[in-house]
Amino acid sequence: KAGVTQTPRYLIKTRGQQVTLSCSPISGHRSVSWYQQTPGQGLQFLFEYFSETQRNKGNFPGRFSGRQFSNSRSEMNVSTLELGDSALYLCASSMRTGLSEQFFGPGTRLTVL
Amino acid sequence: SQELEQSPQSLIVQEGKNLTINCTSSKTLYGLYWYKQKYGEGLIFLMMLQKGGEEKSHEKITAKLDEKKQQSSLHITASQPSHAGIYLCGADTDYGGSQGNLIFGKGTKLSVKP
Repeated sequence: KAGVTQTPRYLIKTRGQQVTLSCSPISGHRSVSWYQQTPGQGLQFLFEYFSETQRNKGNFPGRFSGRQFSNSRSEMNVSTLELGDSALYLCASSMRTGLSEQFFGPGTRLTVL
Repeated sequence: SQELEQSPQSLIVQEGKNLTINCTSSKTLYGLYWYKQKYGEGLIFLMMLQKGGEEKSHEKITAKLDEKKQQSSLHITASQPSHAGIYLCGADTDYGGSQGNLIFGKGTKLSVKP
């Protein structure tokens, strides 16, 4: 069974631009969660989607948004990029929402110049 | 203050030695995950613990959950170079039963000398 895939793997943007990251969960998994990982703050939860509905949202500004499609694939968007948005963005999928095994993708490394 | 503290922050061990990593919460633990991460890559799921006193093992890695102490430990027996990486604990401290309530420790960097 194929694992969680994320595209692109690396991205360089400039301040003020926007970016869209994509995540394809493991086949059959309906929950997709997004995380931001930085050296200073560590791993922080962004949001979770289940059956195309946002179930939870972390403490991030409205510039961070996401969505999930009917095939469970998910995208996250960051608008008006700031230098501090440079991070590794990870998505994780699981079969159901709630406490369950989460499987992570390799991440997208975003650099904002 | 950090809600989930991992110790030590880094660890260098000789191949073949045993080691223990701890994850301590300032709140009640309702669920605890252990992950391993290679630098700059995704997380590899190791184990999930939900009940106090629960202990799980996979190959040479054993994890325990002590609800009373609000702590979990990860023990590696006879370490190998393949065990090197960053170990992260993630916890549900809000009994929300949701991924959104997970908080993570800053990680423990493990190096294994051959």
